Amino acid sequence: LAKTTQPISMDSYEGQEVNITCSHNNIATNDYITWYQQFPSQGPRFIIQGYKTKVTNEVASLFIPADRKSSTLSLPRVSLSDTAVYYCLVSYTGNQFYFGTGTSLTVIP
Amino acid sequence: GAVVSQHPSWVICKSGTSVKIECRSLDFQATTMFWYRQFPKQSLMLMATSNEGSKATYEQGVEKDKFLINHASLTLSTLTVTSAHPEDSSFYICSAREGSSTDTQYFGPGTRLTVL
Repeated sequence: LAKTTQPISMDSYEGQEVNITCSHNNIATNDYITWYQQFPSQGPRFIIQGYKTKVTNEVASLFIPADRKSSTLSLPRVSLSDTAVYYCLVSYTGNQFYFGTGTSLTVIP
Repeated sequence: GAVVSQHPSWVICKSGTSVKIECRSLDFQATTMFWYRQFPKQSLMLMATSNEGSKATYEQGVEKDKFLINHASLTLSTLTVTSAHPEDSSFYICSAREGSSTDTQYFGPGTRLTVL
């Protein structure tokens, strides 16, 4: 079971781009990478999922280098409402998941 | 799409009683559902995995006789905390996945359990 490592916390000013990197050194060939956002006392909310290179949707981009040992979630122009904990999850072929510590993002006005 | 609901959203019970939490996938059929618990300011910990019509698979250290899981249909899984004690107080979250192991997990809003 490969573990993920993320920075515990980050601060950013409103309107800036935020990049959160997750390390997953033991990722396997068929594993996908998924990012979630969680507010206090709520379930995690799906943000984005990818396998390699770059994925973009309405709210974020996900960058995955060729070796896939890390991934970076990019949030463009964050607002105060983006203050939350962000988790990266590596999906295994099977039913084993590891939620790391997550990254607590605080957006400052 | 991909909405998962949980009921109740919060529950308070006396020590020794049993509590049932429901998890429903509202707009898709979930072949697999997962149950997590989360303590304050900590990450999610996977408790068990259930597939429709099969017995749940519990993670190491999770008592299967205490946390009973039933996945009777493709849209409903239940977690029953039997003989609850104050140390079982936590935030319980379910998630549901439609098909293969690489499909996205969608999470419910969570249930806050407080055992007095």
